[in-house]
Amino acid sequence: KQEVTQIPAALSVPEGENLVLNCSFTDSAIYNLQWFRQDPGKGLTSLLLIQSSQREQTSGRLNASLDKSSGRSTLYIAASQPGDSATYLCAVRPNDYKLSFGAGTTVTVRA
Amino acid sequence: NAGVTQTPKFQVLKTGQSMTLQCAQDMNHEYMSWYRQDPGMGLRLIHYSVGAGITDQGEVPNGYNVSRSTTEDFPLRLLSAAPSQTSVYFCASSYSTAGINNEQFFGPGTRLTVL
Repeated sequence: KQEVTQIPAALSVPEGENLVLNCSFTDSAIYNLQWFRQDPGKGLTSLLLIQSSQREQTSGRLNASLDKSSGRSTLYIAASQPGDSATYLCAVRPNDYKLSFGAGTTVTVRA
Repeated sequence: NAGVTQTPKFQVLKTGQSMTLQCAQDMNHEYMSWYRQDPGMGLRLIHYSVGAGITDQGEVPNGYNVSRSTTEDFPLRLLSAAPSQTSVYFCASSYSTAGINNEQFFGPGTRLTVL
């Protein structure tokens, strides 16, 4: 069974600092990996999707890397802002239809 | 496009009552799924569908039924609500399960309390 782990569980940084969020998974036979953002009491917003054949994806200040062989993905957020405060979830899709989610990293960016 | 919509936003039930959580998408997505989110447990897949008329069980299907009569709608039925079903329920969809169009989009969620 695929296990997805996100470390740390919580992170607090001053505004302007770069954020590094980690995601690890136990089975490297994945189809894709997706990063989501969740604000308190809200749904999930898709940030980046990395296919298994890709090494990274970028969108604005966000960059996500994928190393399938080591079972790791990292989400980088450059020059953090208070609006980046949220919970970030990593989800791995194996070679079937079922996403496996990590428990998330809750980020607080202090003004 | 409205994206993925869910109704109701909030619901309180008594033990033993039944109800249907509604989910609809207007993006012509083939794949739809239901998750529940519980503190400390993350999101867990309940049921999913790869197209109209086709459904299958996920990780935690007991106590829930689904059907998919149209591409747009994927309702989740609680047959006899139990306190253990108190949770936040999310519906998700994607255009396909293969190729590059498999990004998943989530609805805003339904917060269910069973007393």
